Amino acid sequence: GENVEQHPSTLSVQEGDSAVIKCTYSDSASNYFPWYKQELGKGPQLIIDIRSNVGEKKDQRIAVTLNKTAKHFSLHITETQPEDSAVYFCAASGADTGRRALTFGSGTRLQVQP
Amino acid sequence: NAGVTQTPKFRVLKTGQSMTLLCAQDMNHEYMYWYRQDPGMGLRLIHYSVGEGTTAKGEVPDGYNVSRLKKQNFLLGLESAAPSQTSVYFCACRVVSYNEQFFGPGTRLTVL
Repeated sequence: GENVEQHPSTLSVQEGDSAVIKCTYSDSASNYFPWYKQELGKGPQLIIDIRSNVGEKKDQRIAVTLNKTAKHFSLHITETQPEDSAVYFCAASGADTGRRALTFGSGTRLQVQP
Repeated sequence: NAGVTQTPKFRVLKTGQSMTLLCAQDMNHEYMYWYRQDPGMGLRLIHYSVGEGTTAKGEVPDGYNVSRLKKQNFLLGLESAAPSQTSVYFCACRVVSYNEQFFGPGTRLTVL
């Protein structure tokens, strides 16, 4: 099955700096790669996603890049703010067309220092 | 429009006790999922359902059973709880035609 690895496990940045979180996946048939943000005591919430036919996608301060050849994708947050502090999960999906379930990375705890 | 709700929010069980977690969605989504979240391991799929009356096993199904008698509800049962089932449980749903999954707020379960 699919295996997703995520790095780093913790990341601390100063307000206004950029943050980058990286993930690799194992199944070349995966075609959907979402990023979820989880705040304390809440469920994960989708912040951005990308499909395998696109190399980059941007939404205001958030961007995701995908390298299908290398099987890795990254989340970029620019001009970080204290409210960006949360746990971020990457995920991959697509090979198991019957269930379309997500395989998650282990998460990155991002702390933005004011 | 509540989205995805989970009941209860917290629960403490003793080893061997049984319980049922309820997930309810008012989004009319066909697919529903149960995940568990453990420290340092992300979310792992327990069971899922592609429609009313159908269920299937995920990655970590042992010790759990599920039922989907109504489209809007997905129940997760623990017949004989074990300490290894201490975790935070999340329910999610999605439509057939789009990949985004919508998550509930979670149930924190402790088994002593």
